[in-house]
Amino acid sequence: DAGVIQSPRHEVTEMGQEVTLRCKPISGHNSLFWYRQTMMRGLELLIYFNNNVPIDDSGMPEDRFSAKMPNASFSTLKIQPSEPRDSAVYFCASSLIVTGISNQPQHFGDGTRLSIL
Amino acid sequence: RKEVEQDPGPFNVPEGATVAFNCTYSNSASQSFFWYRQDCRKEPKLLMSVYSSGNEDGRFTAQLNRASQYISLLIRDSKLSDSATYLCVVATDGGSQGNLIFGKGTKLSVKP
Repeated sequence: DAGVIQSPRHEVTEMGQEVTLRCKPISGHNSLFWYRQTMMRGLELLIYFNNNVPIDDSGMPEDRFSAKMPNASFSTLKIQPSEPRDSAVYFCASSLIVTGISNQPQHFGDGTRLSIL
Repeated sequence: RKEVEQDPGPFNVPEGATVAFNCTYSNSASQSFFWYRQDCRKEPKLLMSVYSSGNEDGRFTAQLNRASQYISLLIRDSKLSDSATYLCVVATDGGSQGNLIFGKGTKLSVKP
């Protein structure tokens, strides 16, 4: 079975450019999560969606970051304009959430390693 | 106080050793708990869920102490392949929404 698929795997771009990260969750999963990981701050949740609807975007650093989930099989995370401090590994994860049932693990994609020069 | 705290390590142990990691969490209403494993330059992967009564999966044993808000992971007979960072993970909303809080991880290095 295909896992969570992210693209690109690596992105190097100059500051000020728009960056778009893509994610395809596991088929049948109804929740999707975007994380950012750095050495200093660890793994931070940016935003998550349930049934394509954004539930909590309080982790999005600022207005330069935006995320969309137009359908159940695709999501994007955009940074515009990008800055050097955005350099990090960005992970997408998906999960099947069943109301009333706890212990819902998340399955991660390989991540996008982003470097802003 | 951080929501999920772990000793960052590194823990350097010889093959065959038993090693234990601890984790504390701040939200007493947390209901779901996990241990994830992350290899260098790879994505986090679920190692095991942590149940109230404690649970075991081969060489790995997880324990939960709700009164002390404390989770542990014990690895017996450690292997070279166990070298990784172990992330303590807590669901703060009962797990029904899926929002997980990750600790920064404890690095384990198993030496020959």
